[in-house]
Amino acid sequence: QQPVQSPQAVILREGEDAVINCSSSKALYSVHWYRQKHGEAPVFLMILLKGGEQKGHEKISASFNEKKQQSSLYLTASQLSYSGTYFCGTDSSNTGKLIFGQGTTLQVKP
Amino acid sequence: DAGVIQSPRHEVTEMGQEVTLRCKPISGHNSLFWYRQTMMRGLELLIYFNNNVPIDDSGMPEDRFSAKMPNASFSTLKIQPSEPRDSAVYFCASSLGAGALNYGYTFGSGTRLTVV
Repeated sequence: QQPVQSPQAVILREGEDAVINCSSSKALYSVHWYRQKHGEAPVFLMILLKGGEQKGHEKISASFNEKKQQSSLYLTASQLSYSGTYFCGTDSSNTGKLIFGQGTTLQVKP
Repeated sequence: DAGVIQSPRHEVTEMGQEVTLRCKPISGHNSLFWYRQTMMRGLELLIYFNNNVPIDDSGMPEDRFSAKMPNASFSTLKIQPSEPRDSAVYFCASSLGAGALNYGYTFGSGTRLTVV
């Protein structure tokens, strides 16, 4: 089953914060976050592993609640370059195979 | 490193023709994934390989789709015959490790396929 992301879209001013949520109906081994700009490929931001280990981006943080199968991505003091569509990808089989959410479109305005 | 390399970048073909998409993963990566992206369905996993072996092809839409990975540096996705509903952006991605060893996917630039 595809994870569910919320909100579907966010519009921010530079410097504002945003939170994007990802929820799965399955127990998860890991959650990935990616950002895709229009016409480009998705780019890896971060992976959160069962057990709390986190690897990835310096300026973006995330959390993973294993019991609730939920993850949240925190974008602090947003910059224009943060604009794009954010996808969470969930691994419920511990194989590295990801099922992606439908995406959250973030637009940062000056 | 040149990253994941896909070819062609764009492909326009007529319904019924055979289409072959190509992917070169990052050297040393042992997992390779083919995804299809459309506005309606988002990013769909078609098939993935681990150490050149197909592990899960449950996402392949139908028998018209086939994928191969003859060696660690090359994979193909073939559609025969193609149909207009196959129009999408097809991404190849590779990764090192699985599970707790996973360091995230690196995606290729994609192939935009249009079937007319």
